[in-house]
Amino acid sequence: DIQMTQSPSSLSASVGDRVTITCRASRRINNYVNWYQQKPGKAPKLLIYDASTLQSGVPSRFSGSGSVTEFTLTISSLQPEDFATYYCQQSYNTLTFGGGTKVDIK
Amino acid sequence: QITLKESGPTLVKPTQTLTLTCTFSGFSVSNSGVGVGWIRQSPGKAPEWLALIYWDDEKRYNPSLKTRLTITKDMSKNQVVLTMTNMDPVDTGTYYCAHRGGSGPTDWFDPWGQGTLVTVSS
Repeated sequence: DIQMTQSPSSLSASVGDRVTITCRASRRINNYVNWYQQKPGKAPKLLIYDASTLQSGVPSRFSGSGSVTEFTLTISSLQPEDFATYYCQQSYNTLTFGGGTKVDIK
Repeated sequence: QITLKESGPTLVKPTQTLTLTCTFSGFSVSNSGVGVGWIRQSPGKAPEWLALIYWDDEKRYNPSLKTRLTITKDMSKNQVVLTMTNMDPVDTGTYYCAHRGGSGPTDWFDPWGQGTLVTVSS
């Protein structure tokens, strides 16, 4: 299986901050990476698919980039509703998720 | 609008077989490119993909659980069923079904059902 190593595992930030989360794949996966947001007690919600395509209805402050083995989710200006846990997921072969990044209030 | 909802037992005993049903609306699993997946999440852990069934009845399973899993679809009822045999306490968690996005080789899930908590205990 391809391992997805997400970093950091947690971070503290303030409203308005720029936040960057990274996922590194154990081998090349082209652009087959997706990003989800999960709030406590809720199902994950798709934010970005195919590394950089913003899902319909997702605010433009979210963006994705990267290719091959290194991928990034960026929140350009953190909003109160963005405090959550974020996961990457690869679909190059057996679907696997990263370990998650919890974003909380500084 | 696409919606999915999981149903099944909340408590199963070790060694028993778990059967979960995903009932969905807003799409047809017979349409090209469509799929439904199952994903579980243990408390405080990352999601773990279990299985995926496509419109053409192709099935994919997580290799680490493949011998225990079966996924089927019933187009007439708009349902996808997952069975998992030989349940163990480590299988405790929230089980989600989700609509498979995309029409090409890549798979993502959107939206997800609300999830159903399954506890394995004697």
